[in-house]
Amino acid sequence: GENVEQHPSTLSVQEGDSAVIKCTYSDSASNYFPWYKQELGKGPQLIIDIRSNVGEKKDQRIAVTLNKTAKHFSLHITETQPEDSAVYFCAAIPRRNDYKLSFGAGTTVTVRA
Amino acid sequence: GAVVSQHPSRVICKSGTSVKIECRSLDFQATTMFWYRQFPKQSLMLMATSNEGSKATYEQGVEKDKFLINHASLTLSTLTVTSAHPEDSSFYICSANLPGQGSTDTQYFGPGTRLTVL
Repeated sequence: GENVEQHPSTLSVQEGDSAVIKCTYSDSASNYFPWYKQELGKGPQLIIDIRSNVGEKKDQRIAVTLNKTAKHFSLHITETQPEDSAVYFCAAIPRRNDYKLSFGAGTTVTVRA
Repeated sequence: GAVVSQHPSRVICKSGTSVKIECRSLDFQATTMFWYRQFPKQSLMLMATSNEGSKATYEQGVEKDKFLINHASLTLSTLTVTSAHPEDSSFYICSANLPGQGSTDTQYFGPGTRLTVL
């Protein structure tokens, strides 16, 4: 099955700086890569996703890049704010009609004011 | 965006009782719903995949008689933890697939249910 690895496990940044989280996947057939943000005691919230026919996608301060050849994708958060502090999970779907997400282990992001 | 609700948000029960958790897609019909379990500081662990009108598909190691799933409609799935024990205490989260148009469905998560078994 699909194996998603996520790094780093924790990330502390100064407010206003950028944060980058990287994930690698094992199944070259994976074609959908969402990122979720989970605040303490809440369910994961979809913040951005990318499909395999696109190399980069941006939504305000958040961007995701995908390198299919190297089988890795990254989340970039610019101009970080205290409210960006949360656990971030990357995920991948192994096959076109297999809807089961394979999650990374998560990254705890702390934005220092 | 698509909204998924869960009820209750928090439940405390005595050992040996059964607890039902509801998951609803509020503004869309979900082709598939999923149930996850999450322990503190860990990632989400998929328990089962639920499709309307058919039996749920359970992941390896998940007891289907312990965690009963009923998917009565395209907007409602329920998870019943039967004869709950303290080791069943966890954060249970459901998700629902928003059908895509010619592309992979997008999965939206509910707010989670904190189960504490005394």
